[in-house]
Amino acid sequence: EDKVVQSPLSLVVHEGDTVTLNCSYEVTNFRSLLWYKQEKKAPTFLFMLTSSGIEKKSGRLSSILDKKELFSILNITATQTGDSAVYLCAVVTGTASKLTFGTGTRLQVTL
Amino acid sequence: GAVVSQHPSWVICKSGTSVKIECRSLDFQATTMFWYRQFPKQSLMLMATSNEGSKATYEQGVEKDKFLINHASLTLSTLTVTSAHPEDSSFYICSARDPAKGDSYEQYFGPGTRLTVT
Repeated sequence: EDKVVQSPLSLVVHEGDTVTLNCSYEVTNFRSLLWYKQEKKAPTFLFMLTSSGIEKKSGRLSSILDKKELFSILNITATQTGDSAVYLCAVVTGTASKLTFGTGTRLQVTL
Repeated sequence: GAVVSQHPSWVICKSGTSVKIECRSLDFQATTMFWYRQFPKQSLMLMATSNEGSKATYEQGVEKDKFLINHASLTLSTLTVTSAHPEDSSFYICSARDPAKGDSYEQYFGPGTRLTVT
């Protein structure tokens, strides 16, 4: 059974801090790993990672994948209150490109 | 960017009734759509993969006779929760891939439907 585990489950930081969110996986027929941000409704796409060791960046967010050790990290620098959300990691597998989601990390950024 | 809509955004129904949720890809054609369920403070769980013009593929533990999926066109998939019970109360989200994006595995999510069964 495919498994995706995220840590920590929840995190409270002060505005301006840097956070690192972790995602490890054990799946068959890996295709890609996706990061999403979920506020009140549906998830919004952040990154897609397919190759090992290549960092993806978007503003204060960055992410990297390690296919040998089977994990990915999502970094957020200079956090803002608007970063408060649940961050979901999902692994794409198989020919049907199914997504298996991790448990999510609930991030709260306080003033 | 690719937009997916869902209707209704929330619904309350009585136990024993059926509820239909629609998922539409607004600016692209989706041969495959996915249906997820999310319970409070939990992650998204894939229920089924909906394929245009053919039967849906259900995940283990999901009752296909209870959660009827129809994908009759390239822009519309429907999920019908039949004989709903309070334990079916959840947030139902659909997603779709845009096949025109080639190797991109990104799935575009609808805004979700909150179902409450009383």
